[in-house]
Amino acid sequence: DTGVSQNPRHKITKRGQNVTFRCDPISEHNRLYWYRQTLGQGPEFLTYFQNEAQLEKSRLLSDRFSAERPKGSFSTLEIQRTEQGDSAMYLCASSSYQRGLALAKNIQYFGAGTRLSVL
Amino acid sequence: GQSLEQPSEVTAVEGAIVQINCTYQTSGFYGLSWYQQHDGGAPTFLSYNALDGLEETGRFSSFLSRSDSYGYLLLQELQMKDSASYFCAVRDTSNSGYALNFGKGTSLLVTP
Repeated sequence: DTGVSQNPRHKITKRGQNVTFRCDPISEHNRLYWYRQTLGQGPEFLTYFQNEAQLEKSRLLSDRFSAERPKGSFSTLEIQRTEQGDSAMYLCASSSYQRGLALAKNIQYFGAGTRLSVL
Repeated sequence: GQSLEQPSEVTAVEGAIVQINCTYQTSGFYGLSWYQQHDGGAPTFLSYNALDGLEETGRFSSFLSRSDSYGYLLLQELQMKDSASYFCAVRDTSNSGYALNFGKGTSLLVTP
């Protein structure tokens, strides 16, 4: 178990540029989540996948944001035409779904995040 | 919608006990979780309560009262390394119920 890995750790870009982040979840986890966190706030949910299917998207996820998980393993989050308001920490988490345990803890294991700064 | 309220900052002395409260408003409820996050680090799961009562895990305990929509995290024998932000979270029932809705976090400072 190597934990959730996110790359890059830091990204500085100019307004209007596109950026892409990668997340490698814990290998046996079939659920993968993206969150955004700004200074002094808790993580805010963006989207989640079960295997390769994107099952839920937050209203926070504008059409400039797109996420994929093509083979049900790693995931990418792309932001097009970045804006200064996109500056934040982007966190990825993964969890394991077990049939019959829908009300179980659903412990989510987080990566250390990608810090995006839009100049 | 859902909302969670927790104190923004708490300061305590090394070796002491501290309690971080969390009140929530939610139309559906699947349990209250607590996460710890050090500066620059990943949020890490600490504890979970689905039913009323106390859950104990080493120096950390968490309590839930569903009738009061209230929970707390209790940290005993505080150590300097416990200085971090602590978040309560509920599962977001507006959709599938698998996303977590976090509070704004409580910054805990442990002093010598």
